[in-house]
Amino acid sequence: DQQVKQNSPSLSVQEGRISILNCDYTNSMFDYFLWYKKYPAEGPTFLISISSIKDKNEDGRFTVFLNKSAKHLSLHIVPSQPGDSAVYFCAASAESGGGADGLTFGKGTHLIIQP
Amino acid sequence: DVKVTQSSRYLVKRTGEKVFLECVQDMDHENMFWYRQDPGLGLRLIYFSYDVKMKEKGDIPEGYSVSREKKERFSLILESASTNQTSMYLCASSFLPSSYNEQFFGPGTRLTVL
Repeated sequence: DQQVKQNSPSLSVQEGRISILNCDYTNSMFDYFLWYKKYPAEGPTFLISISSIKDKNEDGRFTVFLNKSAKHLSLHIVPSQPGDSAVYFCAASAESGGGADGLTFGKGTHLIIQP
Repeated sequence: DVKVTQSSRYLVKRTGEKVFLECVQDMDHENMFWYRQDPGLGLRLIYFSYDVKMKEKGDIPEGYSVSREKKERFSLILESASTNQTSMYLCASSFLPSSYNEQFFGPGTRLTVL
């Protein structure tokens, strides 16, 4: 049973426009959510996170929104740039204080920024 | 800067061979993790460790074992490699306690089992 779902395997967006990547989860115990970005042949790199006590977190061009009642989060990138082309993974954790458990990842969304 | 290094970027092994994947982190992190990434399946947790000589099974531990003899080093062992273990293997580490659960990943090892 997939606890973190990214239903769009790929997304194509024109440069300069907004990219919206979506993620749904089923485990109500998740209280911390992260987005990772991954280029081919490299390890994932942390992008942005949000705690369940917030509904929005912003860092430069990246904003993550959390809707707990819908068990849905989204990553907004604006404006989109060619270097944003990568696979984006949504991840969730049920341990916000300990960190001893591994993260549960979605399958990823391949974002392609068109010039 | 956190540095997580993995011993090999690419590895080719034969079915039945014993395979060691090594991971080293230089930030004195307590937690270390091994994931595998497969197309259409995302990242799946194999094993993790929250202290030296401690280990916990992740979601897909079958066919794998791990070793954590020193805090900075976490090894993944394939006792008898099989073709379905062909994958990208990613090591990660994180600080304990951490209220952010941010994990830092190594560059990955692309393992091919023939």
